[in-house]
Amino acid sequence: AQSVTQPDIHITVSEGASLELRCNYSYGATPYLFWYVQSPGQGLQLLLKYFSGDTLVQGIKGFEAEFKRSQSSFNLRKPSVHWSDAAEYFCAVVPSGTYKYIFGTGTRLKVLA
Amino acid sequence: DAGVIQSPRHEVTEMGQEVTLRCKPISGHNSLFWYRQTMMRGLELLIYFNNNVPIDDSGMPEDRFSAKMPNASFSTLKIQPSEPRDSAVYFCASLGVDYEQYFGPGTRLTVT
Repeated sequence: AQSVTQPDIHITVSEGASLELRCNYSYGATPYLFWYVQSPGQGLQLLLKYFSGDTLVQGIKGFEAEFKRSQSSFNLRKPSVHWSDAAEYFCAVVPSGTYKYIFGTGTRLKVLA
Repeated sequence: DAGVIQSPRHEVTEMGQEVTLRCKPISGHNSLFWYRQTMMRGLELLIYFNNNVPIDDSGMPEDRFSAKMPNASFSTLKIQPSEPRDSAVYFCASLGVDYEQYFGPGTRLTVT
C-alpha cells in the first residue's frame, strides 16, 4: 500500500538557520508529490509540488524541495528560516491516475528567536 | 473567489445528537474531499467526490457517518448519532488545476 513517512514529528531551529524536513514515500511508480503548510487554526496551503522534470522545485515563501527517485524522498528545504515559518508541514503523494491524496503525519516546526 | 467555505466554524453538541457539517467548494472545481484531523490520528481522508459522485469512501469510520454532494456547489458531512470520539477538526477541500487542493478553514467539532 502507498504510504508517506515524515520521520520528524517536531523540529526546532533558530531564526536564520537552514531547514530540511524529510519525507519518504512508498509507491511503485513516481507519484505526484506535494508539500503543504498549516498555520495554527487554519487549513492547509500548498507550498510546492512535483510532477516530473527538474527534480528541484521552487515553491512559495522561499521553500524548495528535491525529488530523489533512488531514495524515494522529497525533502523540503529553506536556506534561512523566519519566525513566521513556525507551523506544521505535511508531505503528500497522489498516485498517478487517482485524485486520492495520502498525507504524512506532519512535522511541527518551532522557530526560536 | 472566496475560497472553500465551511460552516459552522465551531460546533459543540451532546453525545447522541445529529451533526451536519457543510461545505461550498470553489466554483469550477470538480472534486471535493472531506478530511478529519486529530492529534492522535493526524489528517485522515474520509471521502472524496468527483463530479458529485462519491469515488472513495473507504475512510468513513462507520455507518454513523454519511456524506452527500447534491450539486457541484454544496456538500454535507453528517454524523448521527455523534460520539465524544468524533471530536476533531473537519476539513473540506476542493481540487483545482494541477491537482492542487484548496482547503477550507475547518469546522472544530466538540462532542460532550
